[in-house]
Amino acid sequence: EVQLGESGGGLVQPGRSLRLSCAASGFTFDDYAMHWVRQAPGKGLEWVSGITWNSDTIIYADSVKGRFTISRDNAKNSLYLQMNSLRAEDTAFYYCARRPRSGWYFDYWGQGTLVTVSS
Amino acid sequence: EIVLTQSPGTLSLSPGERATVSCRASQSVSSSHLAWYQQKPGQAPRLLIYDASSRATGIPDRFSGSGSGTDFTLTISRLEPEDFAVYYCQQHGSAQYTFGQGTKLEIK
Repeated sequence: EVQLGESGGGLVQPGRSLRLSCAASGFTFDDYAMHWVRQAPGKGLEWVSGITWNSDTIIYADSVKGRFTISRDNAKNSLYLQMNSLRAEDTAFYYCARRPRSGWYFDYWGQGTLVTVSS
Repeated sequence: EIVLTQSPGTLSLSPGERATVSCRASQSVSSSHLAWYQQKPGQAPRLLIYDASSRATGIPDRFSGSGSGTDFTLTISRLEPEDFAVYYCQQHGSAQYTFGQGTKLEIK
């Protein structure tokens, strides 16, 4: 069974940093690109960032470019999101999601971790 | 950036009725780059439809997707009580992914 589990969320002050993790199991992690998608409380979905299976292609939404860094460790079946210079508008549930090799969609999602940026 | 606009914002229907959700793109989208998701309160999104018209694993056949170019549609043929949720379309293009703003399907 495919499982994705996010961790690392919490309350953080504006301008500070936070690192999210996503632990994957039930599939061959290094066969898949992985992404982060976020959702502000009560709002819609916003794609954040994606990384290919071997980390050779990394993409970001304009709203986080230069502040967030996505990475992965295939040996640990883990995906990460380093978030720097956090702003109030970064407050959201952050989901990790799997992208199939042959598709441009997300077939499995974690349950999300909440990041709250507030003083 | 391609903007996806869903309509209606809220759809009020009864179980057994047919639901139709529209997703209009600001530029043409490849059909193989259009997907639909369902999200219930407190849950992560669930993939329903990919490549505009292919049902994901385990999705009942009352869910169908259609469309091409800039106009795409999600149809639920006969609503079941568990179908009342929020639905999102999503596209990929130019190394970016965007979602529609969501359509809330509520019980009338």
